[in-house]
Amino acid sequence: EPEVTQTPSHQVTQMGQEVILRCVPISNHLYFYWYRQILGQKVEFLVSFYNNEISEKSEIFDDQFSVERPDGSNFTLKIRSTKLEDSAMYFCASSGVNEKLFFGSGTQLSVL
Amino acid sequence: KNEVEQSPQNLTAQEGEFITINCSYSVGISALHWLQQHPGGGIVSLFMLSSGKKKHGRLIATINIQEKHSSLHITASHPRDSAVYICAVRSMNYGGSQGNLIFGKGTKLSVKP
Repeated sequence: EPEVTQTPSHQVTQMGQEVILRCVPISNHLYFYWYRQILGQKVEFLVSFYNNEISEKSEIFDDQFSVERPDGSNFTLKIRSTKLEDSAMYFCASSGVNEKLFFGSGTQLSVL
Repeated sequence: KNEVEQSPQNLTAQEGEFITINCSYSVGISALHWLQQHPGGGIVSLFMLSSGKKKHGRLIATINIQEKHSSLHITASHPRDSAVYICAVRSMNYGGSQGNLIFGKGTKLSVKP
């Protein structure tokens, strides 16, 4: 079965630094998403991306965050000036039209 | 206020038992997802449904739109079914992306041999 690939699996950074989380969605999918899960809490939607632009974003997804599809395969989440509370597991997902989601295995971000 | 409520929060079963996990939601929805989160953290989508019932192997998902309720059933449970099962809904109020989901807190299932 095709997979969504996320790198790195773990990222440790210092508070105030910028991080880029990378995802390779399934090749024929058109919709891409980022979610986060703070330890012990439920999964939260961050942003969806379609046709090279953000289609929806949550209140969490403020100016600190940005997404990009720099080429035909990668989908990235950039977090500027990281804060302690950004520590979480970040999941990328992709889907076709009206289809179930395929999730990556996540990037565990630790901000020290 | 949680828009998606799951019960039970934790569930321990013996191998072979029939398992039911419930999900109730308070918003109008266009779709409901059942997800499985493995102990290592990875998430797998089990079902996406908007009406009726779906079956895949030993898993069955049902939804009652009028009652705003869905159930996930596992027949002949096995220790490898041990995971967190998450219900997530897409509100009808959202206009575009199908991935803009409201998640439940999950049900932690442990199946003992």
